[in-house]
Amino acid sequence: DIVMTQTPLSLSVTPGQPASISCKSSQSLVYTNGKTYLHWFLQKSGQSPQLLIYEVSNRFSGVPDRFSGSGSGTDFTLKISRVEAEDVGVYYCMESIHLYSFGQGTKLEI
Amino acid sequence: EEQLVESGGGLVQPGRSLRLSCTASGITFGDNLISWVRQAPGKGLELIGFIRSKSYAETTEYAASVKGRFTISRDDSNSIAYLQMNSLKTEDTGIYYCNRGWYFDLWGRGTQVTVS
Repeated sequence: DIVMTQTPLSLSVTPGQPASISCKSSQSLVYTNGKTYLHWFLQKSGQSPQLLIYEVSNRFSGVPDRFSGSGSGTDFTLKISRVEAEDVGVYYCMESIHLYSFGQGTKLEI
Repeated sequence: EEQLVESGGGLVQPGRSLRLSCTASGITFGDNLISWVRQAPGKGLELIGFIRSKSYAETTEYAASVKGRFTISRDDSNSIAYLQMNSLKTEDTGIYYCNRGWYFDLWGRGTQVTVS
């Protein structure tokens, strides 16, 4: 099974400052079609997870452009250019090239 | 409005069975892969398994932790997916979510399952 490792596990950020979360996979997430199946989710307190970024760097519908994703192969990063209060929650990366393994989650606090 | 609604959760004794439902509205249900994800209290997300669409022969995949105990099925005519859970264990306690597609772009609100 693919193991997804996120760092840090918690993050405290001042509003207006940037934030960055790393996600490393134990195997390459590049499929035979050339696409890379790494996605990012945010789970706010008491809510279901919501898709933020799919295939490394594509923002899902309605996601603010302060969120961006980058990376390749086994190393990926989610960046928030200027954190807002509504960004608080737990961020998860997930691979969908094998059996949809999630990272442990990164708790972002203000 | 696109929506997934889970139901069927509750309190059940270890060793017993429970069937969860995921009812879809506003989407072309039959075209979509449907997955089940659970979240133990205070923990992260864990894929339980998924069922592909009819185009992919409705094949299923399961996490090792539930393989042989849990079964996912679908009824495209009624836009419902099912999670049959047998031989439940205390560690199966958690919130169970269904979601859609290869990227999990639509989630339900979840249903609570407590095995005790």
